[in-house]
Amino acid sequence: DTGVSQDPRHKITKRGQNVTFRCDPISEHNRLYWYRQTLGQGPEFLTYFQNEAQLEKSRLLSDRFSAERPKGSFSTLEIQRTEQGDSAMYLCASSPGHPLYQETQYFGPGTRLLVL
Amino acid sequence: GENVEQHPSTLSVQEGDSAVIKCTYSDSASNYFPWYKQELGKRPQLIIDIRSNVGEKKDQRIAVTLNKTAKHFSLHITETQPEDSAVYFCAASMGSNSGYALNFGKGTSLLVTP
Repeated sequence: DTGVSQDPRHKITKRGQNVTFRCDPISEHNRLYWYRQTLGQGPEFLTYFQNEAQLEKSRLLSDRFSAERPKGSFSTLEIQRTEQGDSAMYLCASSPGHPLYQETQYFGPGTRLLVL
Repeated sequence: GENVEQHPSTLSVQEGDSAVIKCTYSDSASNYFPWYKQELGKRPQLIIDIRSNVGEKKDQRIAVTLNKTAKHFSLHITETQPEDSAVYFCAASMGSNSGYALNFGKGTSLLVTP
């Protein structure tokens, strides 16, 4: 499968614990995005990377959230001191950055987080 | 952030009928408008998109129209089939500073009954 992959697919944790999710974008896609989706809602933008540089963060991304893309390939999203309100699907997307199709985003299957 | 409004929230049609979903956006910087289909428990899948220099685009049974002046765009599905049943999301791009990240509508749950 050459699409966007995410790991793990499901995570159950207790309030206060730290969690980390991984996203592997489509090969050679230089843009990578993180979104959060809650039940019955559309995805909400969290942050985006151009290669290894994190260039934009949404105000939804509190200081408990941190994202990295150290080598411009895979990315990690860490949530520290999880709260019940963090329960959601965390989606990763990548786009080629090609001049003609730079906006086209392809989504991964998501990581479903449940904070107890 | 800028809003994308999507209507209706639910839509039920009979197989073979057409379905129309409408969206409005507020960000003047938006110039790219994709539509995603999401089945239960699965990833959003891009089904069609349109850029601001185009007013209409068609791909088999699916078409999208864009009125940039009025800031609204619509998805049209003709000859609907039961496998079209899913949640459909419209989206509008943010500016280049945000890497064209997407603002999504709240989704339309489409049910196609045989």
